[in-house]
Amino acid sequence: GAVVSQHPSWVICKSGTSVKIECRSLDFQATTMFWYRQFPKQSLMLMATSNEGSKATYEQGVEKDKFLINHASLTLSTLTVTSAHPEDSSFYICSVTPGQGLPSSGYTFGSGTRLTVV
Amino acid sequence: AQSVAQPEDQVNVAEGNPLTVKCTYSVSGNPYLFWYVQYPNRGLQFLLKYITGDNLVKGSYGFEAEFNKSQTSFHLKKPSALVSDSALYFCAVTGNTGGFKTIFGAGTRLFVKA
Repeated sequence: GAVVSQHPSWVICKSGTSVKIECRSLDFQATTMFWYRQFPKQSLMLMATSNEGSKATYEQGVEKDKFLINHASLTLSTLTVTSAHPEDSSFYICSVTPGQGLPSSGYTFGSGTRLTVV
Repeated sequence: AQSVAQPEDQVNVAEGNPLTVKCTYSVSGNPYLFWYVQYPNRGLQFLLKYITGDNLVKGSYGFEAEFNKSQTSFHLKKPSALVSDSALYFCAVTGNTGGFKTIFGAGTRLFVKA
């Protein structure tokens, strides 16, 4: 089955710095990638949808200048949290699909990144 | 707009007993429904899906779910729970409009006691 690698698994950074999270599809070409964040004991909130080679589509209320998404290749998407603040502390998860339509086996999720901003 | 409701924050069940985790949905057109499981500090793992066909869907680890169109429900079930089933379960719906975005329910934490 599809394998997605997300790195790092956890990161602690100082307030005001930027953090980059990578999401790689290891055995298929990921045309579309989704980025979610999850607060403790809450559901996943879709942040943005990125398609390879084009600009990401952000959900309402998500600051595109703060959460920079780059999907430069069919196997890699990155989420950069710029000028991080403690309220950005969260669990970030990517999911991928090989096409732009509905994947037949659901979406494949990365293992997530726990970001703590101190 | 799409929405998913999981009315129970937590479900407690004894090992060996059947379990049900409830989910109802709202979506325009035909729904694509999924169940995922999440273990602590991990990503989501796909359990099963309904897209079309038989209303009873069988998935991983002995789980199954029944699609009920009239009640707009997609409850997750397992005939005999295991302690290792204890985790956070998410119901999700993907609509066939708007780029196939997936909306997740709030999640239901399942505790299986030995």
